Amino acid sequence: AQSVTQLGSHVSVSEGALVLLRCNYSSSVPPYLFWYVQYPNQGLQLLLKYTSAATLVKGINGFEAEFKKSETSFHLTKPSAHMSDAAEYFCAVTSNTNAGKSTFGDGTTLTVKP
Amino acid sequence: DVKVTQSSRYLVKRTGEKVFLECVQDMDHENMFWYRQDPGLGLRLIYFSYDVKMKEKGDIPEGYSVSREKKERFSLILESASTNQTSMYLCASSSRVGGTDTQYFGPGTRLTVL
Repeated sequence: AQSVTQLGSHVSVSEGALVLLRCNYSSSVPPYLFWYVQYPNQGLQLLLKYTSAATLVKGINGFEAEFKKSETSFHLTKPSAHMSDAAEYFCAVTSNTNAGKSTFGDGTTLTVKP
Repeated sequence: DVKVTQSSRYLVKRTGEKVFLECVQDMDHENMFWYRQDPGLGLRLIYFSYDVKMKEKGDIPEGYSVSREKKERFSLILESASTNQTSMYLCASSSRVGGTDTQYFGPGTRLTVL
């Protein structure tokens, strides 16, 4: 069984501030973890993914995430927010035993204030 | 680039109508998915297909059926649409390489049932 919890359905930051979006997972087998972003009126697209190689994963648009097994976390960060980062972000978990099916979190809407 | 297309961006139907949502991918992916996206509920898996003519129920299959007659095409069918099926529907595809593969999403179909 697998599940994902995203803490905070809405996060608001000022332009230039640190972005931190939280994701905790539960999985009975080694997980693979993903962050996807959804811009208004679009489908989801991959930001980054953890597949058991390096625990610090760098993605597109300056985002990165660190897999912490002891904390069962995979938080998404970006040092300096840009207005174009305003979107909805989804954390997802899957595994080798789940036939490619992912379980998604409820999403976090990021607002960036000028 | 992987492309996943959905037949309509917006659709308005009446209660009791039969509704077809079509999804086509151009990357020869084995896996295809239909999700429903509602505010605050994230993405919920309706049906999953891992090969032609193969399908598995997801978390919320009630009121829906699917068809996959060709590898590139995955259809979602609402046999008798109801107002509680008003939602955003997202199609996705991925290759069958264990759990590590990214899901590629279409732009979504926003369905309104009156």
